[in-house]
Amino acid sequence: GAVVSQHPSRVICKSGTSVKIECRSLDFQATTMFWYRQFPKKSLMLMATSNEGSKATYEQGVEKDKFLINHASLTLSTLTVTSAHPEDSSFYICSATPGLAVHNEQFFGPGTRLTVL
Amino acid sequence: DAKTTQPPSMDCAEGRAANLPCNHSTISGNEYVYWYRQIHSQGPQYIIHGLKNNETNEMASLIITEDRKSSTLILPHATLRDTAVYYCIVRLYYNQGGKLIFGQGTELSVKP
Repeated sequence: GAVVSQHPSRVICKSGTSVKIECRSLDFQATTMFWYRQFPKKSLMLMATSNEGSKATYEQGVEKDKFLINHASLTLSTLTVTSAHPEDSSFYICSATPGLAVHNEQFFGPGTRLTVL
Repeated sequence: DAKTTQPPSMDCAEGRAANLPCNHSTISGNEYVYWYRQIHSQGPQYIIHGLKNNETNEMASLIITEDRKSSTLILPHATLRDTAVYYCIVRLYYNQGGKLIFGQGTELSVKP
């Protein structure tokens, strides 16, 4: 199946700093990418939908100025957590959909664990 | 998208079939049933999807009731590596990709 990578896999940062997470589709072009966050023992929560070349669509309650999403190419989307605080510590997961997929599977990355001290 | 209801947890003996139920009583005619699973600290993995016919692939079988209000994911010979949280999701099928809204899922524990 199609492969999606994320970098970094783990990051620890100080409160107040910004952290950028990359999501790449390695062997297909992704017109749409999605960003999720997941707290321990909880389900995935969709944060935003990212379409190549246009502004991301954020889910209700997600601060767009806090979580900056850029989808500059068909293989790369980035999520920047700005002025991170301990409550932003979470597991961030991206997924991507091939533009020409017959049944539109979403392929998920391995996730990035963010810890804010 | 229609809401789904799954039992929070299930156990299964290694080598036996694991049958994971899902209720989606408000499903509409053009909504598909998708199953994903998430092994601990990894990204979710697609398993199977269907509209109204039963489906089978190399990973699992999906049985959808005739009224489409419920479905069952069957792992025919569960192994320890099948221990994961299994999510049943109902959503529309879009040509440009659609959102997946995850519920709480079923935590399946496969025991030796």
